[in-house]
Amino acid sequence: GAVVSQHPSRVICKSGTSVKIECRSLDFQATTMFWYRQFPKQSLMLMATSNEGSKATYEQGVEKDKFLINHASLTLSTLTVTSAHPEDSSFYICSASGGPLGEQFFGPGTRLTVL
Amino acid sequence: SQQGEEDPQALSIQEGENATMNCSYKTSINNLQWYRQNSGRGLVHLILIRSNEREKHSGRLRVTLDTSKKSSSLLITASRAADTASYFCATDAKAAGNKLTFGGGTRVLVKP
Repeated sequence: GAVVSQHPSRVICKSGTSVKIECRSLDFQATTMFWYRQFPKQSLMLMATSNEGSKATYEQGVEKDKFLINHASLTLSTLTVTSAHPEDSSFYICSASGGPLGEQFFGPGTRLTVL
Repeated sequence: SQQGEEDPQALSIQEGENATMNCSYKTSINNLQWYRQNSGRGLVHLILIRSNEREKHSGRLRVTLDTSKKSSSLLITASRAADTASYFCATDAKAAGNKLTFGGGTRVLVKP
């Protein structure tokens, strides 16, 4: 399957700081990428859909000013958690749509811990 | 909101046994996908089954889809300790574009 990378894999930051997470499709172009968050022992919840060259579409209840998404190229989308607080601590996972049948390929995830 | 519900939530079996987990969903779909997630890791795509398909195999995995009952099952045959993971179904609903909606997942423990 196609390869999607995320960076960093783990980040610890102080409350109030901003954190940027990168998602890259390494061997294919992805016009659409997705950002999810996952709390311990829970399922993935879609946060937003990132479209190359246009504004992201956010799911209900997700603050667009807090979770800034930029999809500057066909292989890179970034999620910036602004003014992070402890309740933002979670596992953030991106995916890229690239399969012939619309399969989504997932990155390895980023563990964010806000102190 | 989550469209899919999975059962059981957790499953513990001995190596060599089969593991079966089920997924139910609510709206019409284009396809249904199964993923595996090892603890603290990303998701690995296992199988995609289209709405006009009823059964699909991949190695030791068998997936069925019953659109009349809006349900799917994943069977892992001859399980191995390395199959220990969480398994999620995800639906690509016709009304939701290309977005996936995940079920709650089944945590599978395969004891050696």
